Amino acid sequence: QSVLTQPPSASGTPGQRVTISCSGSSSNIGSNYVYWYQQLPGTAPKLLIYRNNQRPSGVPDRFSGSKSGTSASLAISGLRSEDEADYYCAAWDDSLSVAVFGGGTQLTVL
Amino acid sequence: EVQLVESGGGLVQPGGSLRLSCAASGFTFSSYSMNWVRQAPGKGLEWVSYISSSSSTIYYADSVKGRFTISRDNAKNSLYLQMNSLRAEDTAVYYCARDHGGSGIPDYWGQGTLVTVSS
Repeated sequence: QSVLTQPPSASGTPGQRVTISCSGSSSNIGSNYVYWYQQLPGTAPKLLIYRNNQRPSGVPDRFSGSKSGTSASLAISGLRSEDEADYYCAAWDDSLSVAVFGGGTQLTVL
Repeated sequence: EVQLVESGGGLVQPGGSLRLSCAASGFTFSSYSMNWVRQAPGKGLEWVSYISSSSSTIYYADSVKGRFTISRDNAKNSLYLQMNSLRAEDTAVYYCARDHGGSGIPDYWGQGTLVTVSS
């Protein structure tokens, strides 16, 4: 059972906009930045969003992040076949003094 | 270019020990905190441990506390994870990951090294 809660799966058709949610608590998302990762099959995770809504250089602006209270969301617009991957959210938890991850969301592009 | 290369994984019997290493390049290693994160086969990501740039602050996940020890050698640009009393549930790919601004959350990740605990 992950500390951060994500839907196990999401799907969309090419060109569509999809969102992936991440729910936490006051000790993690509520008081710290949220990070998002993309993991393609057989590869290491890649940072997509840092500090709630910032994109590292090289990440397309089709990817965006937001946070409100104890929840966060990753939005992917103009969905492409190469976006098919697992997506994880993460945050530091002040009460546990550990980093916590969501269980991951498997995105399928139909 | 940031590069993190893990080594030291392999097959070990339950109760055994293993030491993972991570060679860092492409950034000033001594200025960054570092993390270990693992992923069991077919499962999600699990944070394992954090060490600050000077080794003054260290954190562990409850699942490994008392069995794993994180350390670093800034002169050698290297990060380590000493794993003792290994259990079947420690079987995973172990990733070395650079910390983002002392947040405890990784930005750059290595390619991972597989640890299999089995008799």
